[in-house]
Amino acid sequence: NAGVMQNPRHLVRRRGQEARLRCSPMKGHSHVYWYRQLPEEGLKFMVYLQKENIIDESGMPKERFSAEFPKEGPSILRIQQVVRGDSAAYFCASSRRLAPGSYNEQFFGPGTRLTVL
Amino acid sequence: EDKVVQSPLSLVVHEGDTVTLNCSYEVTNFRSLLWYKQEKKAPTFLFMLTSSGIEKKSGRLSSILDKKELFSILNITATQTGDSAIYLCAVTTNAGKSTFGDGTTLTVKP
Repeated sequence: NAGVMQNPRHLVRRRGQEARLRCSPMKGHSHVYWYRQLPEEGLKFMVYLQKENIIDESGMPKERFSAEFPKEGPSILRIQQVVRGDSAAYFCASSRRLAPGSYNEQFFGPGTRLTVL
Repeated sequence: EDKVVQSPLSLVVHEGDTVTLNCSYEVTNFRSLLWYKQEKKAPTFLFMLTSSGIEKKSGRLSSILDKKELFSILNITATQTGDSAIYLCAVTTNAGKSTFGDGTTLTVKP
């Protein structure tokens, strides 16, 4: 039973390039969450998606960042025209469909470390 | 491979009880250990620990790290129903890599 998978594990981009981060949720999980972790800081929520639907993108920067979770395939976090400040670890987590009143038990992937030169 | 193991996986207590959550780790080039509280949405940062033996406190919560024995504990005294959540432990390395445990689900009954 594979856990949450993210790739690539490390990504290096030059300023102005595009970064695409992929997340494959655990089997049976239909909800995906993206977080950013800046050096020496905790996790910052970015976006919460179900298949083909963005549930909550309140943590996403207004420009250059987008996320999708298509019917088939992994969830993609896309960062256009990257800048040095985008350098961070990006974590994906997945969970099952939520039952009312239940906890949001998320399982985390290993993260993608983005370095912008 | 880096590993973070939390125990117990779940815990049910009554209001007023004291609980201790455990996090053990095996990582290369340890830098810090972080505790989070996860409720409905995103995890909430609680503590970051980098040095052994120095207790960090925030209200009824406290945490300490033992870098020799490679573990940390999170204590919650006089628990309340609002403490019910999943508590996550994560360890970061000098290379900037973070590894999360699977969490401890705490349920506090009235």
